[in-house]
Amino acid sequence: NAGVTQTPKFRVLKTGQSMTLLCAQDMNHEYMYWYRQDPGMGLRLIHYSVGEGTTAKGEVPDGYNVSRLKKQNFLLGLESAAPSQTSVYFCASRRSGAGAGELFFGEGSRLTVL
Amino acid sequence: AQRVTQPEKLLSVFKGAPVELKCNYSYSGSPELFWYVQYSRQRLQLLLRHISRESIKGFTADLNKGETSFHLKKPFAQEEDSAMYYCALSGEVNDMRFGAGTRLTVKP
Repeated sequence: NAGVTQTPKFRVLKTGQSMTLLCAQDMNHEYMYWYRQDPGMGLRLIHYSVGEGTTAKGEVPDGYNVSRLKKQNFLLGLESAAPSQTSVYFCASRRSGAGAGELFFGEGSRLTVL
Repeated sequence: AQRVTQPEKLLSVFKGAPVELKCNYSYSGSPELFWYVQYSRQRLQLLLRHISRESIKGFTADLNKGETSFHLKKPFAQEEDSAMYYCALSGEVNDMRFGAGTRLTVKP
């Protein structure tokens, strides 16, 4: 059981380049999330999705776009990367319903923007 | 808007000493509160949630709605408790917001 898988795990970009991070989950979860983790700032929610075809903004959505075309996948896109987007990105998922509870996390994707 | 505050970025205690990691929140509705832990080279994982009122690895956390707090406690810290701890809040739109985290170091 793979759980939540993120690709790629590492990436170096130049300012202005674009890229997409892929998150895949095999637990049939309705909800999926993208976070960035920065020293001293904890985990900050970028975007999230409560179902296939739906997305919503989190705390720090600027400079990012997302898509949830399939229930099991949640893509995070950077159209024009900036050095401020250097971070570790985490994807997570959880089931829906009352007391949905626990988030299951991926291993993280380390992105460096030069 | 909901907010989670963890006032201590770093916390250091000796093995066997009690430990308390503080978490305060602001939210106008009925929140679900969680503690997540990240051990070195491991994924973030759930430690405990307020609705289950359980003790995991000797840790407990009580939701105090009057003080809007959800502090994490353990009476006798162990070296293997050294990790990064995050308090998190899930609101009624099912987003999940985290605090800045507290890095706990348990010294031998």
